Amino acid sequence: ELKVEQNPLFLSMQEGKNYTIYCNYSTTSDRLYWYRQDPGKSLESLFVLLSNGAVKQEGRLMASLDTKARLSTLHITAAVHDLSATYFCAVGNDMRFGAGTRLTVKP
Amino acid sequence: EAGVAQSPRYKIIEKRQSVAFWCNPISGHATLYWYQQILGQGPKLLIQFQNNGVVDDSQLPKDRFSAERLKGVDSTLKIQPAKLEDSAVYLCASSLTGTGVAEQYFGPGTRLTVT
Repeated sequence: ELKVEQNPLFLSMQEGKNYTIYCNYSTTSDRLYWYRQDPGKSLESLFVLLSNGAVKQEGRLMASLDTKARLSTLHITAAVHDLSATYFCAVGNDMRFGAGTRLTVKP
Repeated sequence: EAGVAQSPRYKIIEKRQSVAFWCNPISGHATLYWYQQILGQGPKLLIQFQNNGVVDDSQLPKDRFSAERLKGVDSTLKIQPAKLEDSAVYLCASSLTGTGVAEQYFGPGTRLTVT
């Protein structure tokens, strides 16, 4: 059974700092998704990664996929308070989600 | 473009009662998904429809949960009878295709509390 692990589960950052969230998965998959969820809200799609070496960037967020290592990263550059949310990765055709990384960006 | 609509937004029921949730996907989206998100966890896929056919329901507790998508548009998810552990947010999502390439758009969810 496909297992998806995210770390860290909780992340408190200072504004302006950089950090990386990791998503590891247990079986081969050629597709990975990143979502953002604000408290009490639904999920917003951030990135869809479909091939080994795929890299996508949107604003201060950059996602990459290494299918050989079964690893995706979500890199945050110069964090701002508006990025505070929970970030989920999801893997495979049956959309297995990780437990999420709760990010808090402090001034 | 209108998003995915869900109703009701909130529902409180007692255990052993029945409940139904409704979802209207984005117009033209062939694929519809139902997820269960328990507080503090990631969403869990319950069922995926492609038009009005079931693609994947391997994680749907079929002894108490059922779902249908008549005419390939709206969908309903039913729980009968509900248990305390069914307390969660039920999210509906839709995508243009079911190949896994298309982006999923999520509705606001229905928050279910079972007492």
